[in-house]
Amino acid sequence: KQEVTQIPAALSVPEGENLVLNCSFTDSAIYNLQWFRQDPGKGLTSLLLIQSSQREQTSGRLNASLDKSSGRSTLYIAASQPGDSATYLCAVRPTPTYGGSQGNLIFGKGTKLSVKP
Amino acid sequence: DGGITQSPKYLFRKEGQNVTLSCEQNLNHDAMYWYRQDPGQGLRLIYYSQIVNDFQKGDIAEGYSVSREKKESFPLTVTSAQKNPTAFYLCASSPSWGEAFFGQGTRLTVV
Repeated sequence: KQEVTQIPAALSVPEGENLVLNCSFTDSAIYNLQWFRQDPGKGLTSLLLIQSSQREQTSGRLNASLDKSSGRSTLYIAASQPGDSATYLCAVRPTPTYGGSQGNLIFGKGTKLSVKP
Repeated sequence: DGGITQSPKYLFRKEGQNVTLSCEQNLNHDAMYWYRQDPGQGLRLIYYSQIVNDFQKGDIAEGYSVSREKKESFPLTVTSAQKNPTAFYLCASSPSWGEAFFGQGTRLTVV
């Protein structure tokens, strides 16, 4: 059964620091991997989607990498700002099986990021 | 504005009462999902639907029911059989196997 782990559970950094959030998954048979951001009491906002054939994706100050063979993804945030404070969630979509349903997103428990001014 | 709309934002349920959470999307996505979020437990899948008039149980479907009569709508009913319904409920949609988008959530509390 696919399991997704995010370490650390919480992270506090000073403003301006570059940081890396980690995501690991146990089964390399994934279709894609998605990073989300969640603010307190709110829904999830999609940040980046990486297809299984891709190695990385970039959006502004965010860069996500994927190493399927080792079951790892990282989210790099450059020049962090207090507005980046949120919980970051990683989710994998398993490869659909023949004759079966599409793989549904399986989530890690998230990393709560706090960026101090 | 394209997106996913969940309503209401807050919902209170009395013991033994059924309540229905609304989820509407105008993204023309085929697939829709319901997740439950509890502190320290992450998101858990309740039900999902890949196509109109078809849906499948997720990991924690007991005490919940859904319908998918229209592509745009995927309402979730929390029945009296769900013994611990207090949680944050999130609806999502995606093109098949594509990028998923979420609504703003409904917080359900038992009173």
